[in-house]
Amino acid sequence: TQLLEQSPQFLSIQEGENLTVYCNSSSVFSSLQWYRQEPGEGPVLLVTVVTGGEVKKLKRLTFQFGDARKDSSLHITAAQPGDTGLYLCAGARTGGFKTIFGAGTRLFVKA
Amino acid sequence: GAGVSQSPSNKVTEKGKDVELRCDPISGHTALYWYRQSLGQGLEFLIYFQGNSAPDKSGLPSDRFSAERTGGSVSTLTIQRTQQEDSAVYLCASSLDSGRARTGELFFGEGSRLTVL
Repeated sequence: TQLLEQSPQFLSIQEGENLTVYCNSSSVFSSLQWYRQEPGEGPVLLVTVVTGGEVKKLKRLTFQFGDARKDSSLHITAAQPGDTGLYLCAGARTGGFKTIFGAGTRLFVKA
Repeated sequence: GAGVSQSPSNKVTEKGKDVELRCDPISGHTALYWYRQSLGQGLEFLIYFQGNSAPDKSGLPSDRFSAERTGGSVSTLTIQRTQQEDSAVYLCASSLDSGRARTGELFFGEGSRLTVL
């Protein structure tokens, strides 16, 4: 059982479309992070959210941390082929120290 | 280089052989993680080192897996008597995370791809 559940597992969309990826848990997290991974490389951090209800924007990407700090979402506006990759949410549970990852959402944006 | 370095980048071995995978973290990073990633999947936590504290080994899948971190820097992940199901990419990451500041960014190496025939 994944402590961090991501949905959808796979998403294939046309360039210009909008999409939302979800990361859910029954546990409370002190922070959540979103990483993006391209083939043959390690994941790279996109954002860290710390405060319940927090919203962060990074160009066309909008990240939200749930009020109860149990879930997060990533919204991409007007997706580009360069957005293609594996999106991973990760976090450390309150009272814990190690960072754990969800199973990821594989996004493919067609030109 | 200034990033996390892993070696070898690719390793093909026969079932039953032992393998060692090496990780050289970013200088000054106190936290070091090993994860395993099967094809197209997410990252499976294996082990976590933080400073001089006892490592969190709760993710190691069996007693064939072990890891050490010498001098608070370089780490070696050892898999004994490899099995075909051990085939995966093994990723190492380091962080400035003190263990209390839980928002530390993880910096990853490019991984070691292990294939067990």
